[in-house]
Amino acid sequence: EAQVTQNPRYLITVTGKKLTVTCSQNMNHEYMSWYRQDPGLGLRQIYYSMNVEVTDKGDVPEGYKVSRKEKRNFPLILESPSPNQTSLYFCASSPGATGLYFGPGTRLLVL
Amino acid sequence: AQSVTQLDSQVPVFEEAPVELRCNYSSSVSVYLFWYVQYPNQGLQLLLKYLSGSTLVKGINGFEAEFNKSQTSFHLRKPSVHISDTAEYFCASSPGASKIIFGSGTRLSIRP
Repeated sequence: EAQVTQNPRYLITVTGKKLTVTCSQNMNHEYMSWYRQDPGLGLRQIYYSMNVEVTDKGDVPEGYKVSRKEKRNFPLILESPSPNQTSLYFCASSPGATGLYFGPGTRLLVL
Repeated sequence: AQSVTQLDSQVPVFEEAPVELRCNYSSSVSVYLFWYVQYPNQGLQLLLKYLSGSTLVKGINGFEAEFNKSQTSFHLRKPSVHISDTAEYFCASSPGASKIIFGSGTRLSIRP
């Protein structure tokens, strides 16, 4: 089944404790992206990747890192999480400009 | 700068009534336009898209949208809604593959 998977689905952590949210797609898509969803703000792009070893900042990259060492994986790293990073995070992939395939989301709470 | 505006944060309608969710975009270049649906506690799912060609686009679950270049709008419509259409709907625009801008979302609630 074609899908985008994210892990973990739910995470509670404390300020400053490094964490990684994994994202994997099995559709051989070149494009992958991370979004955060906050009430009243819709989805805002954090980082995106056009291909392996090619990443770029989105609208809200501060406090986040990404890497794209393999085509299928695009992990999101929070080196030192803060409470303002409490949010719902979505990973997505796309074969081109024809629409995104979203993962199920990761709900993060930073205390 | 490119932006997407969804004028209504919430739209309540009765079951079997028609609905229109409004979306306006601003862009100085040609864009691709999308509507996504997010059911409670789920990720987003592509509902329909406009890339080029016919301005009336049909999507899944009986939804359709019309691209209006002169009014820079891409409103979503359904002639008769069901309880199962309760969800949040997001309009999005993209000038290409890298940048996709989402609106703030419209929560559609269906009353029996």
